[in-house]
Amino acid sequence: QKEVEQNSGPLSVPEGAIASLNCTYSDRGSQSFFWYRQYSGKSPELIMSIYSNGDKEDGRFTAQLNKASQYVSLLIRDSQPSDSATYLCAVYKGSARQLTFGSGTQLTVLP
Amino acid sequence: KAGVTQTPRYLIKTRGQQVTLSCSPISGHRSVSWYQQTPGQGLQFLFEYFSETQRNKGNFPGRFSGRQFSNSRSEMNVSTLELGDSALYLCASSSQGLAGGSAYEQYFGPGTRLTVT
Repeated sequence: QKEVEQNSGPLSVPEGAIASLNCTYSDRGSQSFFWYRQYSGKSPELIMSIYSNGDKEDGRFTAQLNKASQYVSLLIRDSQPSDSATYLCAVYKGSARQLTFGSGTQLTVLP
Repeated sequence: KAGVTQTPRYLIKTRGQQVTLSCSPISGHRSVSWYQQTPGQGLQFLFEYFSETQRNKGNFPGRFSGRQFSNSRSEMNVSTLELGDSALYLCASSSQGLAGGSAYEQYFGPGTRLTVT
């Protein structure tokens, strides 16, 4: 079982819809969670960080964390074609002291 | 604030050579982490430096090494290059980095694309 798992996609949604990206992790001791967006040929860009159970909203983005079920998700409201990118989930476990990334979900927003 | 800078942006080397990559973090940030990104393995953690000390290390061979200077700039060195070292090397800047109980937000530089022939 991979430490951090994401559906590779591609995930396609129409413009204006809600895109839902999911990530599960294997270690219950994980403590910090991040979502990055990576455009083709570019470096990852931090979108959200979340540290405690519940929802965290920032503009059109909402991160949701459920430690009991070991998943973290990212919702993108009113999706735009410019949101088309690969979204990377990253999980930090203090005992390992490293950030582990999922393989990413490729999102395409159709105009 | 200026972002994270990495030099060079592109590099072509031959097997057996060595290479040094440089990273300048965001002003005031003391943590620099290095990652390797390949299509097959994704983003993998190499190591983290904080206040000139290597604080954390990933599962990479000893050919991969690094250092950090007093101004927080960091260098990564790969010796005896192999074809499999071809990758995008990313550095990430953070105020406190991977600090035991919690990870602070990390901001990536543009990366160095290394091709080994």
